[in-house]
Amino acid sequence: EVQLAESGGGLVQPGGSLRLSCAASGFTFSTYAMSWVRQAPGKGLEWVSSISTSGGSTYYADSVKGRFTVSRDNSKNTLDLQMHSLRAEDTAFYYCAKHSNSWRPFDYWGQGTLVTVSS
Amino acid sequence: QTVVTQEPSFSVSPGGTVTLTCGLSSGSVSTSNYPSWYQQTPGQSPRTLIYSTNTRSSGVPDRFSGSILENKAALTITGAQADDESDYYCVLYVGSGISVFGGGTKLTVL
Repeated sequence: EVQLAESGGGLVQPGGSLRLSCAASGFTFSTYAMSWVRQAPGKGLEWVSSISTSGGSTYYADSVKGRFTVSRDNSKNTLDLQMHSLRAEDTAFYYCAKHSNSWRPFDYWGQGTLVTVSS
Repeated sequence: QTVVTQEPSFSVSPGGTVTLTCGLSSGSVSTSNYPSWYQQTPGQSPRTLIYSTNTRSSGVPDRFSGSILENKAALTITGAQADDESDYYCVLYVGSGISVFGGGTKLTVL
């Protein structure tokens, strides 16, 4: 059974940093691209970042480019999102999502972790 | 700036059929956009219904189907039930590792 479990969310002050992690199991992690998707309270889903199978290619939404860095460790089956210079508008549930094949969108999601940016 | 459009809201009667659509500001949606559909109820993570245009996710009843209709991706729900009342999101792959979500459709069953 595919499982994705996010961790690392919490309360952080504006301008601060936070690192999210996603532990994957139930599939061959190294053979699937992965993404982070977020959802601000009461709002819709927003794709944040994606990473290729090897980690050699990464992509970001304009709203986070230059502030967020996605990475993966295929030996540990983990996906990370390092977030810097956090803003109030980054407050959201952050979900990791597995691509179904190549870059085709997502067939499995985690339960999400809440990031709150507030003073 | 690529924009993916969905109806903000839709209503269907119990037992009825409804088709939600997902359009692309830059033109037609094709199978190369691998349109996918998700159902979300308050407080829950998204549930995958359909991916790659028309592949039903495991455990999803065949009342849910995906297609391309008149240059848009479409999600059709037949025999609507009360627990189909949810938010529905589509996502399109637009190239270079980038996916774009629509704003979501709030479906009411009444």
